[in-house]
Amino acid sequence: DSGVTQTPKHLITATGQRVTLRCSPRSGDLSVYWYQQSLDQGLQFLIQYYNGEERAKGNILERFSAQQFPDLHSELNLSSLELGDSALYFCASSVSGLAGVADTQYFGPGTRLTVL
Amino acid sequence: AQSVTQLGSHVSVSEGALVLLRCNYSSSVPPYLFWYVQYPNQGLQLLLKYTSAATLVKGINGFEAEFKKSETSFHLTKPSAHMSDAAEYFCAVSDRGGATNKLIFGTGTLLAVQP
Repeated sequence: DSGVTQTPKHLITATGQRVTLRCSPRSGDLSVYWYQQSLDQGLQFLIQYYNGEERAKGNILERFSAQQFPDLHSELNLSSLELGDSALYFCASSVSGLAGVADTQYFGPGTRLTVL
Repeated sequence: AQSVTQLGSHVSVSEGALVLLRCNYSSSVPPYLFWYVQYPNQGLQLLLKYTSAATLVKGINGFEAEFKKSETSFHLTKPSAHMSDAAEYFCAVSDRGGATNKLIFGTGTLLAVQP
């Protein structure tokens, strides 16, 4: 158990819908990362938050957004869903998330999103 | 831009045999390097990481990896495979001097262990 929790574990929805994925980081970790794992794209970094502020953006679609709340939990919002958004979405957390620091990122169990 | 290449998407070994999973990175400056393991229906777990102390890094479950700057490689090895090692293994890099310590992953190597 990494200490990172994600809910829900599975999500099945239809095209055009909007969903919210939730992540609670390990106690004491200030940085949260979101990654997408799909068969065709592999594991890709989406976005990082550090202590409530956006730190870095990766290959995140405009239809996707995220935020980190004062209690440090994070939510990833996916809207206008398409079939191609079906994937495993991982949240990870680390202590600092600062550039040039080899923080260990601890991964949650993931949320499997299926868009029908 | 940083990238990492994992040669061999599938590797099969016999129980008790040497495990060798290959990873090469592309970066002008040696990055931080990581190996993660993913068991079926689970998240990723860190096996080991290279941060520029020792070039031979020992990790959990008997795995180790050697950083070779001249070959831009960070191959993962284990002397004797166990059935429980069957999983997918990911090599990843993060930039030492960039704006973020996001991880860039390789495409993964699925390890099968035959009895």
